[in-house]
Amino acid sequence: EDQVTQSPEALRLQEGESSSLNCSYTVSGLRGLFWYRQDPGKGPEFLFTLYSAGEEKEKERLKATLTKKESFLHITAPKPEDSATYLCAVHLRENYGQNFVFGPGTRLSVLP
Amino acid sequence: GAVVSQHPSRVICKSGTSVKIECRSLDFQATTMFWYRQFPKKSLMLMATSNEGSKATYEQGVEKDKFLINHASLTLSTLTVTSAHPEDSSFYICSARDSGRQFSSYGYTFGSGTRLTVV
Repeated sequence: EDQVTQSPEALRLQEGESSSLNCSYTVSGLRGLFWYRQDPGKGPEFLFTLYSAGEEKEKERLKATLTKKESFLHITAPKPEDSATYLCAVHLRENYGQNFVFGPGTRLSVLP
Repeated sequence: GAVVSQHPSRVICKSGTSVKIECRSLDFQATTMFWYRQFPKKSLMLMATSNEGSKATYEQGVEKDKFLINHASLTLSTLTVTSAHPEDSSFYICSARDSGRQFSSYGYTFGSGTRLTVV
């Protein structure tokens, strides 16, 4: 069964305290791995897509990396506005044109 | 950029009534849209894939007679929750893909969600 897990479930950081979020997946055929940010009461907002092991993408304080079994979202010197739930989703090869399997998310709180 | 508008953002309805949620792609055409349901502090669960001009494809366990989906145009999909009950209370989100933009750079675009409360 295709499965996506994320850890930790929740994370509290002080402003400026860097950390990493983990997304682990067990799927039959990975076409791509997506990271989204979701604010309370809002829809997910696209951050990154990763397609192959070793690939890295950066955007401001965020950097996403991918291995064959997991992806990391590194947050460098976070600010309170980075507080949100971060979701990863795998796009399955045989289901292309359909949709993702989402992980449960990591709720990030950055304290000033 | 690609924008998906979802309406209403919040709705409260009485048990037994029906509620319609609209999902519109504002600046692109979407032959396929997706409907998700999200419980508090939980992830998004795909309910169905909405196909313009044809029947929706429902995920296992989703009652198609309860969650009616209509995709009558290339920019509009609607989800109607029929005979709503309190257990249908949830956050419903739609998404679509702008085929005119590179998928690897933009992914799917999500609506802002609809909070349904059935009392």
